[in-house]
Amino acid sequence: GAVVSQHPSWVICKSGTSVKIECRSLDFQATTMFWYRQFPKQSLMLMATSNEGSKATYEQGVEKDKFLINHASLTLSTLTVTSAHPEDSSFYICSATPTTGGGYEQYFGPGTRLTVT
Amino acid sequence: EDQVTQSPEALRLQEGESSSLNCSYTVSGLRGLFWYRQDPGKGPEFLFTLYSAGEEKEKERLKATLTKKESFLHITAPKPEDSATYLCAVHPGYGGATNKLIFGTGTLLAVQP
Repeated sequence: GAVVSQHPSWVICKSGTSVKIECRSLDFQATTMFWYRQFPKQSLMLMATSNEGSKATYEQGVEKDKFLINHASLTLSTLTVTSAHPEDSSFYICSATPTTGGGYEQYFGPGTRLTVT
Repeated sequence: EDQVTQSPEALRLQEGESSSLNCSYTVSGLRGLFWYRQDPGKGPEFLFTLYSAGEEKEKERLKATLTKKESFLHITAPKPEDSATYLCAVHPGYGGATNKLIFGTGTLLAVQP
């Protein structure tokens, strides 16, 4: 149980283009999903908290116009990297907390490796 | 300031050599302490949740314990497949499920055959 998927698992795009990453909770509903970024050999860096039906909450220093987050349903959140540049190349990971159960565990997706050329 | 500190940063063990990883935390309240395992190029895998001091959880060769200021992840007779980065995170006790977890920087464990 508590499976989270991400698509795509890796993507290569050209500088200036936009890329959309999907995060799905497969066997539970999630009012809240989270988006992280991870650089090599570093810990997770929270980018934003995604709430179903409302605007995402971004961490300080994260450009909301560059990293667009949409949480359209209780099982799907998307992260769109707009006008991507090489410095946006990174490992992006989403997580979700089940709406029911009362716990605060986050279950993570497998991650998406983005390379901007 | 809410903070989570993990030690050591890296640990190398021989197969069968038991040891412990430490996670110390400073938060205003605690609504849960979480352990994750992360393999290279993958998302973290949930291992345990601990809620109150004195609580213990076990899974195969792993055992997590919690006190009021820290948690330990004990690894008994580790195998090479236990090699991974182990992450500790806490829910700081406010905000409900919409609030973020505070993560430590992880312990990179390498178990040599």
